[in-house]
Amino acid sequence: AQSVTQLDSQVPVFEEAPVELRCNYSSSVSVYLFWYVQYPNQGLQLLLKYLSGSTLVKGINGFEAEFNKSQTSFHLRKPSVHISDTAEYFCAVSINAGGTSYGKLTFGQGTILTVHP
Amino acid sequence: ETGVTQSPTHLIKTRGQQVTLRCSSQSGHNTVSWYQQALGQGPQFIFQYYREEENGRGNFPPRFSGLQFPNYSSELNVNALELDDSALYLCASMYGSGRISETQYFGPGTRLLVL
Repeated sequence: AQSVTQLDSQVPVFEEAPVELRCNYSSSVSVYLFWYVQYPNQGLQLLLKYLSGSTLVKGINGFEAEFNKSQTSFHLRKPSVHISDTAEYFCAVSINAGGTSYGKLTFGQGTILTVHP
Repeated sequence: ETGVTQSPTHLIKTRGQQVTLRCSSQSGHNTVSWYQQALGQGPQFIFQYYREEENGRGNFPPRFSGLQFPNYSSELNVNALELDDSALYLCASMYGSGRISETQYFGPGTRLLVL
């Protein structure tokens, strides 16, 4: 079985500052990795995903993440945040088994990012 | 706008009752997954349906069941409701082609409160 640990439950940051949201995972098999954002009273929106290839993945809204296989991490970064980035962020994994396996996600507990003016 | 809708948006039930939650996917999305998100937690995978057959299940008891219909809609049924079933229920759909580039789209969820 796989598991995901998001190391920070809450991250406060000032507008235009850089931010890093940390995610570690555990799995005995190869995985796909995802970051989702959830705004209040809304569903989940995909920010970015790592499937294979380059370990640096760029996503929407200026976010990027780096896959580090040796450290089993997939940290999310943004060089300059905006007030509108205030939301809850979820790291997720699925096993790399082809077919529809990547639709079966294991999520972390979430990190609430609060951007202050 | 993901093209995935869920109904109802909110629901209140009492312990022991049964509930049916509905999800309408984009046309062509033959794969739907359901998740339970308790307050302050990440979503937990309940099960997935692919071409109207169950295609994997998480650690949920049999009183959680589902259906997927040919018109790209689906249902999540929960029998004998317990207080711990209070949560946001999310459905997510995609076109399951085996190509990992396909994107999974989440609906806005149904918030269930069990009293």
